[in-house]
Amino acid sequence: DAGITQSPRYKITETGRQVTLMCHQTWSHSYMFWYRQDLGHGLRLIYYSAAADITDKGEVPDGYVVSRSKTENFPLTLESATRSQTSVYFCASRFPGQLRNSPLHFGNGTRLTVT
Amino acid sequence: GQQVMQIPQYQHVQEGEDFTTYCNSSTTLSNIQWYKQRPGGHPVFLIQLVKSGEVKKQKRLTFQFGEAKKNSSLHITATQTTDVGTYFCAEVDTGTASKLTFGTGTRLQVTL
Repeated sequence: DAGITQSPRYKITETGRQVTLMCHQTWSHSYMFWYRQDLGHGLRLIYYSAAADITDKGEVPDGYVVSRSKTENFPLTLESATRSQTSVYFCASRFPGQLRNSPLHFGNGTRLTVT
Repeated sequence: GQQVMQIPQYQHVQEGEDFTTYCNSSTTLSNIQWYKQRPGGHPVFLIQLVKSGEVKKQKRLTFQFGEAKKNSSLHITATQTTDVGTYFCAEVDTGTASKLTFGTGTRLQVTL
């Protein structure tokens, strides 16, 4: 969907470096999510946010930091990258309110390699 | 936390054969959503099931929600090469309704 964009699409970084993955959505969706996708594990939730300045941990938050100063942006930072964080990262958003179970809209993903 | 098991992990069929993937939970599910991810792409929403015993169809795809709301299935009739991809079920966390917990997915390969 053109309304949610991730950058960069590909990133190679070294162990120990800090790297930030960007996510921007134009729908003004309240809820935003970060998932990582690895073979054999499917999609695992890292962090999510219900609104600006409200974030919460998901299933695998260790080693990651998020912020949400504006509704449209939800960056994910790896403070000190490790090889185990090599993965494909997906950002997603959805509309809240009465449609509590409205579907997720995913970005195109960022393929991160940590050497 | 909730765990959603999905089987099989992988299935290879010839075009025209049917395909089914199953999603099972040890707890009662509030609802189920299904997503499809094409190779190299991102997950795309297919459908949501809410009611016990619900059955929904989208052309050759049939989605079912179990009577006890602990399992769901996706059946594709007469597969086509365009059906290739990974199919995920996802359940909304009843504790925090904003989260989705995904199954591990079933990768479907279709050959001529």
